[in-house]
Amino acid sequence: EAQVTQNPRYLITVTGKKLTVTCSQNMNHEYMSWYRQDPGLGLRQIYYSMNVEVTDKGDVPEGYKVSRKEKRNFPLILESPSPNQTSLYFCASSFAQGGTEAFFGQGTRLTVV
Amino acid sequence: QKEVEQNSGPLSVPEGAIASLNCTYSDRGSQSFFWYRQYSGKSPELIMFIYSNGDKEDGRFTAQLNKASQYVSLLIRDSQPSDSATYLCAVEKGSTLGRLYFGRGTQLTVWP
Repeated sequence: EAQVTQNPRYLITVTGKKLTVTCSQNMNHEYMSWYRQDPGLGLRQIYYSMNVEVTDKGDVPEGYKVSRKEKRNFPLILESPSPNQTSLYFCASSFAQGGTEAFFGQGTRLTVV
Repeated sequence: QKEVEQNSGPLSVPEGAIASLNCTYSDRGSQSFFWYRQYSGKSPELIMFIYSNGDKEDGRFTAQLNKASQYVSLLIRDSQPSDSATYLCAVEKGSTLGRLYFGRGTQLTVWP
């Protein structure tokens, strides 16, 4: 089954404790992206990757890191989480550019206290 | 000016009616446009994409693009209660492949 898998689905953590949200896709997609979704603000792109070892900043990259060492995986790293990073996070993947055949993961609800 | 703006909702239509969702964008160089549907508590799912001026139809859905007016819309014909969701417009930045901007979404309710 074609899917994008995020882990964990829910996470409560404390300020400053490094965390990683994993994202894996099984469709051999070149393009992967991370978004955060906040009430009233919609979906905002954090980072995206057009292929292995190629990453670029989106709307709101501050406080986040990503890496793309393998085509299937695109982890999101919060080195020192802060309460303003409390949000719903989505990973997405697709072939080529843009959203053609875009698939979203189930989402990760992160709370930083 | 925001990169992508959607008509403010919520939008409420009766079952069987046509629902019209609108979106404007600011980057005149944008070439790729997408509509996503997001049910409450779920992930967004892609329902339409359009690259060329004019209409693109897929079942009950029609996407319309007018690049001169920087306007993209989604029409849902014969609306069903199962169409009740938030609809997100997304635009790919013209000069930067992969860089997507989303509107804030329009909440649609279809009542029986």
